[in-house]
Amino acid sequence: QSVLTQPPSVSAAPGQKVTISCSGSSSNIGNNYVSWYQHLPGTAPKLLIYENNKRPSGIPDRFSGSKSGTSATLGITGLQTGDEADYYCGTWDSSLSAGVFGGGTKLTVL
Amino acid sequence: QVQLVESGGGVVQPGGSPRLSCAASGFSFSNHGMHWVRQAPGKGLEWVAFIWYDGSNKYYADSVKGRFTISRDNSKNTLFLQMNSLRPEDTAVYYCAKDPHYYSSGTFDSWGQGTLVTVSS
Repeated sequence: QSVLTQPPSVSAAPGQKVTISCSGSSSNIGNNYVSWYQHLPGTAPKLLIYENNKRPSGIPDRFSGSKSGTSATLGITGLQTGDEADYYCGTWDSSLSAGVFGGGTKLTVL
Repeated sequence: QVQLVESGGGVVQPGGSPRLSCAASGFSFSNHGMHWVRQAPGKGLEWVAFIWYDGSNKYYADSVKGRFTISRDNSKNTLFLQMNSLRPEDTAVYYCAKDPHYYSSGTFDSWGQGTLVTVSS
């Protein structure tokens, strides 16, 4: 069981929008920044969002992040088939003194 | 650009003690904390360990505490993971990842391609 909770899968049609939720607690999401990662099998994970809602250079503005209390959300608009991947939320847990990830969400672009 | 290259993976017998390395380039290695993250076959990402920029503080996942040791050589821009008493459940692709800060922010802004460790007799 992961410390952070994500839905196992989401799906939407090309061009549509999708959101992926990430739920935690006060010791992790509630008091630390959340980041989001895109992971394609056989490749290195890629940072999409850091500090809750900031995008690294080169990440299109179709990707957005938000946080409220002990939950965070990744939004992807204008879905493309190339967006099909596993998406993970992550943060630091101050009580565990450990990094924590969600279980991952598989995005299917129908 | 940032480059992280892991090595040291392979097939190891249960109880074995391999050491993974991660060669870093393209950034000031000695100013950043570094993580190890793994992914077992068919599973999600699992954080393994973190070391401060100067090696003064180290943190471990409960699943590896007492068996794995993270270390670094800032003179050689290299991160290490000494793995002892390996178990079949340690089979995974092991990634090294850079933290944007000297302490752990829980953010992994650059990743290596990973090295596969298979624990099997």
